[in-house]
Amino acid sequence: DSGVTQTPKHLITATGQRVTLRCSPRSGDLSVYWYQQSLDQGLQFLIQYYNGEERAKGNILERFSAQQFPDLHSELNLSSLELGDSALYFCASSVEGGAGTGELFFGEGSRLTVL
Amino acid sequence: AQKVTQAQTEISVVEKEDVTLDCVYETRDTTYYLFWYKQPPSGELVFLIRRNSFDEQNEISGRYSWNFQKSTSSFNFTITASQVVDSAVYFCALSEAGRNKLVFGAGTILRVKS
Repeated sequence: DSGVTQTPKHLITATGQRVTLRCSPRSGDLSVYWYQQSLDQGLQFLIQYYNGEERAKGNILERFSAQQFPDLHSELNLSSLELGDSALYFCASSVEGGAGTGELFFGEGSRLTVL
Repeated sequence: AQKVTQAQTEISVVEKEDVTLDCVYETRDTTYYLFWYKQPPSGELVFLIRRNSFDEQNEISGRYSWNFQKSTSSFNFTITASQVVDSAVYFCALSEAGRNKLVFGAGTILRVKS
């Protein structure tokens, strides 16, 4: 158990809909990262928050947004969903602000299926 | 630009065989970090090891060992006496100091048959 909690574990929805994925980091970790794992793109970094502020951005679509709340939990919002958004979405956390200085602890992922 | 290449898409071995998973990376930075993660069938990502670019010592942890060679930009992972429970997807990853993302390789599927 990494200590990172993601909900929901599974989600099935239709094209055009909007969903919210939630992540609670390990106790004491200030950084939250979101990754997308799909068959064609592999594991892709989406975005990072550090203590409530956006710290780094990766290949995140404009239809997607994220935020980190004062209690440090984070939400990833996916809107106008398309079939290609079906993927496993991972949240990870770390103490430091930079991934290079410490390991990332990954949650179990939220599997999104868009029909 | 950062890039991680895991040329082996899938490897099948019989239990007790040794197996080496290859990882080649590209980076322009002199300070960087290399990682290996395991993704079992249940789907979670399990951290195995982190190595910084200034530490080329090989590391052994039980049946696992890692060989880091800067001269060939490789960070290979060997499992000795493989077991069925080692069956998983293994990812090599790279991050550069000061940049806040891990770049993952495509992963290698390891199947260990009894």
